[in-house]
Amino acid sequence: QVQLVESGGGVVQPGESLRLSCAASGFTFSIFGIHWVRQAPGKGLEWVAVIWYDENHKYYADSVKGRFTISRDNSKNMLFLQMNSLRAEDTAIYYCAKDRGVYQVVPNDSLDMWGQGTMVTVSS
Amino acid sequence: QSVVTQPPSVSGAPGQRVTISCTGSSSNIGAGYHVHWYQQVPGTAPKLLIYDNDNRPSGVPDRFSGSKSGTSASLAITGLQAEDEADYYCQSYDSSLSGRVFGGGTKLTVL
Repeated sequence: QVQLVESGGGVVQPGESLRLSCAASGFTFSIFGIHWVRQAPGKGLEWVAVIWYDENHKYYADSVKGRFTISRDNSKNMLFLQMNSLRAEDTAIYYCAKDRGVYQVVPNDSLDMWGQGTMVTVSS
Repeated sequence: QSVVTQPPSVSGAPGQRVTISCTGSSSNIGAGYHVHWYQQVPGTAPKLLIYDNDNRPSGVPDRFSGSKSGTSASLAITGLQAEDEADYYCQSYDSSLSGRVFGGGTKLTVL
């Protein structure tokens, strides 16, 4: 079964850190770029970050640049998002999503498979 | 506020046709970047509905179609069904932001 399963969400205080995980199965994880996309409560989708198949290229939204780090372990079919210096505005459901393209991630690629999401709440 | 705009809501009766617009600018849709559409039923994850402007993934009914012209794109749904009630998001790439951008989303209500 082709799927992505996120975990690691929870409630943290402003300024704290959290590490999200995304477990992939049912497809050749190592040849696809993977994205993180978030959705604040009652709001729309916001792209957060992407990592290429080989971890050599990583790109971030300005809103998280310098605070969040995306990484992957192809030997374990796992994607991660290390979130530091968390703020109230980072409160959201975080989805991992597979890039439709193979190997390189190009701007025109769509996100063709999504996980169910994990909730992150930043509150004092 | 997103650089790609959608109407907050649209509605239609069963069997009718509705369209959802997605308006961008010269740094995203107008620059030639593809537009993709996602359907999100409340409480669930988004699902790819249309990719590369006008292509349907396997399993998506042909009642859904996409188009793009200039700095805008549209999603059309014909033969509206109750199960189509969901939020719809367009997505493209913005060269000024160097990242993917989503529209604000449109809530479709089937009357």
